[in-house]
Amino acid sequence: EVQLVQSGGEMKKPGESLKISCKGSGYTFSNYYIVWVRQRPGKGLEWVGSIYPSDSDAKYSPSFQGRVTMSVDRSVSTAYLKWDSLTASDTATYYCARRVELDYWGQGSLVTVSS
Amino acid sequence: QSVLTQAPSVSGAPGERVTISCSGSRSNIGAGYEVHWYQQVPGRAPKLLIYGNSNRPSGVPDRFSGSRSGTSASLAIAGLQAEDEADYYCQSYDSSLNGLYLFGSGTKVTVL
Repeated sequence: EVQLVQSGGEMKKPGESLKISCKGSGYTFSNYYIVWVRQRPGKGLEWVGSIYPSDSDAKYSPSFQGRVTMSVDRSVSTAYLKWDSLTASDTATYYCARRVELDYWGQGSLVTVSS
Repeated sequence: QSVLTQAPSVSGAPGERVTISCSGSRSNIGAGYEVHWYQQVPGRAPKLLIYGNSNRPSGVPDRFSGSRSGTSASLAIAGLQAEDEADYYCQSYDSSLNGLYLFGSGTKVTVL
């Protein structure tokens, strides 16, 4: 059974760093894109970017370029999304999903940034 | 970010048929790129409903159907049920955005 299991919710202060994770199981992790999606409270879905685990080739939406960094660790079948300096506008639920068709989704990681 | 436009809301009585449209342009849907649809029940992660314009993943009822024509795509729900009350999003590739994928603005379906 394909599963994507994400790390838990986080409460951070503005300016702090954060790295959330997405662990894949039930399939060959390296062979399928991982996509990150943002959903701000009460709002729609936004495409953050995609990363191909086999070669770590990452593509970012212009709105997120330079604001976040995607990475993978193939040895533990896990993808990561990292911020170096959070702001309140980063408050959202972040989902990981498999393939550009987004056929399987993680349960979401709620990131709250507040002073 | 969204250049795929959806009506904010649609509603229907149980048993009725409702249609959700996703309006794009020549750089996305009109260029022949595939459209995918997702259902999101409040408080839950989205779920793939239709992929490749009109294909249903295993387990999705055949009440749900998708189509694409010109620069638009549509999702139809036949025999509306209470459990279909959710937000629905379309998604496609856009060649004008340096190889990016986009979501539609989302449509809230209310079962009366």
